[in-house]
Amino acid sequence: DIQMTQSPSSLSASVGDRVTITCRASQSVNSHLNWYQQKPGKAPKLLIYAASSLQSGVPSRFSGSGSGTDFTLTISSLRSEDLATYFCQQSYSTLRTFGQGTKVEIK
Amino acid sequence: EVQLLESGGGLVQPGGSLRLSCAASGFSFSNYAMTWVRQTPGKGLEWVSALSGSGRNTYYADSVKGRFTISRDNSKNTLYLQMNSLRAEDMGVYYCAKVIDGRYEYFQQWGQGTLVTVSS
Repeated sequence: DIQMTQSPSSLSASVGDRVTITCRASQSVNSHLNWYQQKPGKAPKLLIYAASSLQSGVPSRFSGSGSGTDFTLTISSLRSEDLATYFCQQSYSTLRTFGQGTKVEIK
Repeated sequence: EVQLLESGGGLVQPGGSLRLSCAASGFSFSNYAMTWVRQTPGKGLEWVSALSGSGRNTYYADSVKGRFTISRDNSKNTLYLQMNSLRAEDMGVYYCAKVIDGRYEYFQQWGQGTLVTVSS
């Protein structure tokens, strides 16, 4: 199985801050990496696919980068509605796997 | 508007069975692969199973292989997950999702989830 490790597990930031979340794969997944946002009590929602492509309707303050084993999700200017847990997921191998999540809190 | 509505969750004893359903609307259901993902306290988000649009190709996580069966009825726009020999570690919220599987694969839309509780 390809293991996905996110860091940090949680963070607290102020409105307007730039936030960066890292996801590392245990082996190369090329660009087969997706990011999801899960707000409290809700289902996950697709933010970024293929490492850097923004899903339609997602605000442009969200961006993704990376390839191979190291990936980053960036929120350029944090807003209060971005309070959520963020997950990475690889779709390179038949057995899809998710990171453990990064909880973003607002100071 | 794409809508996915799961149902069929509930309380079941260890060793028991449950069938989950996912009713889809707002898109051409038979043209898309579908998947089940669960969220458990112990393992977070865990991919469970996937099925091609035609229903011919199925995929399972090792943890459920031989116990769970994914299927679909394209005439009813419905996805199913038959879960047998349920264990405590199967407990969690089960989501169905619409899969985009071109050059890159991703889970484009998710249902609201249905809760499965395994307890005696």
